[in-house]
Amino acid sequence: EPEVTQTPSHQVTQMGQEVILRCVPISNHLYFYWYRQILGQKVEFLVSFYNNEISEKSEIFDDQFSVERPDGSNFTLKIRSTKLEDSAMYFCASSESSGGWETQYFGPGTRLLVL
Amino acid sequence: AQSVTQLDSHVSVSEGTPVLLRCNYSSSYSPSLFWYVQHPNKGLQLLLKYTSAATLVKGINGFEAEFKKSETSFHLTKPSAHMSDAAEYFCVVSDRISGGYNKLIFGAGTRLAVHP
Repeated sequence: EPEVTQTPSHQVTQMGQEVILRCVPISNHLYFYWYRQILGQKVEFLVSFYNNEISEKSEIFDDQFSVERPDGSNFTLKIRSTKLEDSAMYFCASSESSGGWETQYFGPGTRLLVL
Repeated sequence: AQSVTQLDSHVSVSEGTPVLLRCNYSSSYSPSLFWYVQHPNKGLQLLLKYTSAATLVKGINGFEAEFKKSETSFHLTKPSAHMSDAAEYFCVVSDRISGGYNKLIFGAGTRLAVHP
């Protein structure tokens, strides 16, 4: 069964450093998402991406964040200058279409720790 | 705005006994509702979803959920718990955003423990 994959599984970085989290969505999917879960809090939507542009972003997704689909398979989340409060589990997801009933398939997550 | 409330943060059952994980939703229109499960060090896996067809939805691993509009509930049940069911369970509602796209709104999660 096709899966969403994410690398790395864990990332430790110093405050102020740039990090890039990588995701490989399911191959025939067209819609891509990032969510995050701060320890002890709910999973939160960050951004959705379709046709090489952001379709929606949350208030969390400020200028420090960016997303990109650099080639036909990868989908990346970049944090330009990490803050302590960026420490969280980051989940990538993908779906075939955008309907409300559509299943979003999630990767295993990248646990980011900012020191 | 859409929201979901999971009424129990932790549920503990004995193996072979029924499981009930409770979820209430708030929605201004007919919602799409999902249950996802997360096993340790694994991604979020879809258990089942409700999309306004049958109100009783069957999912994987013997789980099912019933959509009750009058009670705004979407509780997850399983007749007989197995040790492998121990995980975190998330009730999720789909929120329509501009342009026809959707984002998922997660509940806080319920951690299910299964004892021998």
